[in-house]
Amino acid sequence: AQSVTQLDSQVPVFEEAPVELRCNYSSSVSVYLFWYVQYPNQGLQLLLKYLSGSTLVKGINGFEAEFNKSQTSFHLRKPSVHISDTAEYFCAVTTGGATNKLIFGTGTLLAVQP
Amino acid sequence: DAGVTQSPTHLIKTRGQHVTLRCSPISGHKSVSWYQQVLGQGPQFIFQYYEKEERGRGNFPDRFSARQFPNYSSELNVNALLLGDSALYLCASSLGRRVSNQPQHFGDGTRLSIL
Repeated sequence: AQSVTQLDSQVPVFEEAPVELRCNYSSSVSVYLFWYVQYPNQGLQLLLKYLSGSTLVKGINGFEAEFNKSQTSFHLRKPSVHISDTAEYFCAVTTGGATNKLIFGTGTLLAVQP
Repeated sequence: DAGVTQSPTHLIKTRGQHVTLRCSPISGHKSVSWYQQVLGQGPQFIFQYYEKEERGRGNFPDRFSARQFPNYSSELNVNALLLGDSALYLCASSLGRRVSNQPQHFGDGTRLSIL
């Protein structure tokens, strides 16, 4: 079975500083990985996804993530954060074949301070 | 173009009642998935419907049921509500069936509170 672990429940950071949100997954088969963002009182918005190919994936709003198969990780990074990046970030995994569901981590609250 | 729309946005029920939540997918999307997000946790998969048939079911009791209509809109029904059913219920739509290569678009959810 697949699972996702987000090691940090909350990450405080000052505006314009870099940030990394950690995500580790567990799976015995090939995986597809996603990062979603959830702003207060809203649904989830897709930031980026890894399906295959280059292990460095670029997404919206200046975010990027790197797939590391040996470390089973898919960490999210941004070189300089803004106040508006304050939100909950979820890492998710799915596999190919007949599986039609996303498995989400518990989320990381990115709290950007002025 | 309109995104995924869910109704109602908020709902308060008491234990033992039943509830129906509604979802309209993005125009042209044939797949609808339902997720439950309990406060402080990530979303948990409940159902996927594609072309009006159930294509996936999560680990939820039979009190939870859903259906998809010919226009691809969907309803989630929950019977005999329990306090633990209090959550944000999210609907997601996509063009095709496989979530591995079809980005899922989420609605803003229905906040269900059980008293």
